[in-house]
Amino acid sequence: QQQVKQSPQSLIVQKGGISIINCAYENTAFDYFPWYQQFPGKGPALLIAIRPDVSEKKEGRFTISFNKSAKQFSLHIMDSQPGDSATYFCAASGSEKLVFGKGTKLTVNP
Amino acid sequence: DAGITQSPRHKVTETGTPVTLRCHQTENHRYMYWYRQDPGHGLRLIHYSYGVKDTDKGEVSDGYSVSRSKTEDFLLTLESATSSQTSVYFCAISERYAATNTEAFFGQGTRLTVV
Repeated sequence: QQQVKQSPQSLIVQKGGISIINCAYENTAFDYFPWYQQFPGKGPALLIAIRPDVSEKKEGRFTISFNKSAKQFSLHIMDSQPGDSATYFCAASGSEKLVFGKGTKLTVNP
Repeated sequence: DAGITQSPRHKVTETGTPVTLRCHQTENHRYMYWYRQDPGHGLRLIHYSYGVKDTDKGEVSDGYSVSRSKTEDFLLTLESATSSQTSVYFCAISERYAATNTEAFFGQGTRLTVV
């Protein structure tokens, strides 16, 4: 079963635009929600993370919005750049396991 | 970069043969994980370890076994490789369990092809 649902599967935006990736989870025991960024040929790397006691976290151009009642969270990339082109994974954990969404391939055109 | 080394980085093997992938860390982190990455499926947890000789199953553990005899090494074994196990395998480590706001560090991956 898929515990974290991520959409869209792929996303194309123009340079300077806003990229938005959405995730939904089912397990209310999850209490940590990280986003990972993966470049081709590399392992995923932590980008930004949030806990459910806050509704938003911002780090530079990257913002996580969290809606606990809807069990949804999203990643917003402001002023998207070609260097942001990568695959993004949302994830969730509430025990010793870290479960991932299926990923979103982001392409930012110059 | 976190000190994680996966070996081999690439391997081609025949159906029915056993295969062992190795993950070695120099960070002394307690938790170690094996994931597989497939197009359309993202990252799926195979097995994880929460200490020496302490392991548990993930969501896609059938056909795989693991062992951790030392803090620094976590081995993934495909007991009898099948074509469905062709994938990219990632090892990850974390200092504390994932629920405590702890970053997981990933290795570079092992591309395994079963022919």
